[in-house]
Amino acid sequence: AQSVAQPEDQVNVAEGNPLTVKCTYSVSGNPYLFWYVQYPNRGLQFLLKYITGDNLVKGSYGFEAEFNKSQTSFHLKKPSALVSDSALYFCAVRDGNYGGSQGNLIFGKGTKLSVKP
Amino acid sequence: ETGVTQTPRHLVMGMTNKKSLKCEQHLGHNAMYWYKQSAKKPLELMFVYNFKEQTENNSVPSRFSPECPNSSHLFLHLHTLQPEDSALYLCASSQFSEVGGYTFGSGTRLTVV
Repeated sequence: AQSVAQPEDQVNVAEGNPLTVKCTYSVSGNPYLFWYVQYPNRGLQFLLKYITGDNLVKGSYGFEAEFNKSQTSFHLKKPSALVSDSALYFCAVRDGNYGGSQGNLIFGKGTKLSVKP
Repeated sequence: ETGVTQTPRHLVMGMTNKKSLKCEQHLGHNAMYWYKQSAKKPLELMFVYNFKEQTENNSVPSRFSPECPNSSHLFLHLHTLQPEDSALYLCASSQFSEVGGYTFGSGTRLTVV
């Protein structure tokens, strides 16, 4: 069964500094990887995804993520953080080799990003 | 608006009440999902419907009863809930045959008193 780990409950960054939110995954087949962001009292919004191809994926709002197969990681990054980036970030994985239940999107527990001025 | 609409946004109910959550998507998707979001826990996948047929029930207690009358609408019927069922309930949809992710609604914040 697939799983996702986000080892940090919270990440604190000063505005203008680079940020990284960590994610590691486990699937039996090919991983399809996603990042979502959740602002207060809102649903999850799609940021970016890795399906195949270039390991560095660029997404919305200046975010990017790097797929590392050997480390089974998909860390979210941004070169310069903004206060408005403060939110809850979720990593998710889907097993690309299956349809049905094994192809469902499985989420981590989320990491709260706090960017201070 | 994401194209997935959930109502109501907030719901307070007693343990003996019966209520329903509604989800509607206008994206032409053929798969719909219910997730439960509790503080500091991973999102829990509750139910999956593909082409109106339930394909997954992740050991959800019977006090939660889903209904999918067509590909655009999904309901979650609630009865005799417990205080620990208080959470944000999120609906999502996707195109089952495609590789992409899901589109989420804004959720219903449920409080059981």
